[in-house]
Amino acid sequence: AQSVSQHNHHVILSEAASLELGCNYSYGGTVNLFWYVQYPGQHLQLLLKYFSGDPLVKGIKGFEAEFIKSKFSFNLRKPSVQWSDTAEYFCAVNAKSGYSTLTFGKGTMLLVSP
Amino acid sequence: DAGVIQSPRHEVTEMGQEVTLRCKPISGHNSLFWYRQTMMRGLELLIYFNNNVPIDDSGMPEDRFSAKMPNASFSTLKIQPSEPRDSAVYFCASSTTSGSPHEQYFGPGTRLTVT
Repeated sequence: AQSVSQHNHHVILSEAASLELGCNYSYGGTVNLFWYVQYPGQHLQLLLKYFSGDPLVKGIKGFEAEFIKSKFSFNLRKPSVQWSDTAEYFCAVNAKSGYSTLTFGKGTMLLVSP
Repeated sequence: DAGVIQSPRHEVTEMGQEVTLRCKPISGHNSLFWYRQTMMRGLELLIYFNNNVPIDDSGMPEDRFSAKMPNASFSTLKIQPSEPRDSAVYFCASSTTSGSPHEQYFGPGTRLTVT
């Protein structure tokens, strides 16, 4: 079974600061990788995803993530955060083989101060 | 596309009462998932269906929880009897096994409060 670890539970940044949220997964086979975002009081929305090809994927709102297979990592980045990026961010993984459910990390709460 | 629809959006009930949460997946999606989100435990998968058949219900906490999917466009999650520790936000999500596999689309959630 796969597992996902998000290293930071809470991150506080000032506007215009750069962001990097860590995500590591554990699984012996090939995987699909996702980042979801949950704005306060709202449901989870897909931010970006990696299935195959270029390991650097770009998502909505200026976010990007890089899949580093050797490190089992899929860190989320944004060069300059905005107050509106305040939200909880979830990394998720599932196995490519067959059909498997998503395994979510515990989430990282990002607070951006204006 | 209307997205995943859940009802009610908020539910407040007393301990011991039966609670039924409803979900309508995106049309054409053949997989449906029920999740529970709490501060303490994060996002937990309770059960998922593929083509209306329950595939894995190992996340269902107790026999008080049950879920059904009588057809491709409707699912229910029932708690009977409810307890205060069931208070959480319950999300329904759907996906398709064709096209972009495994990407799940979430509904707005039902915030359940059991007093």
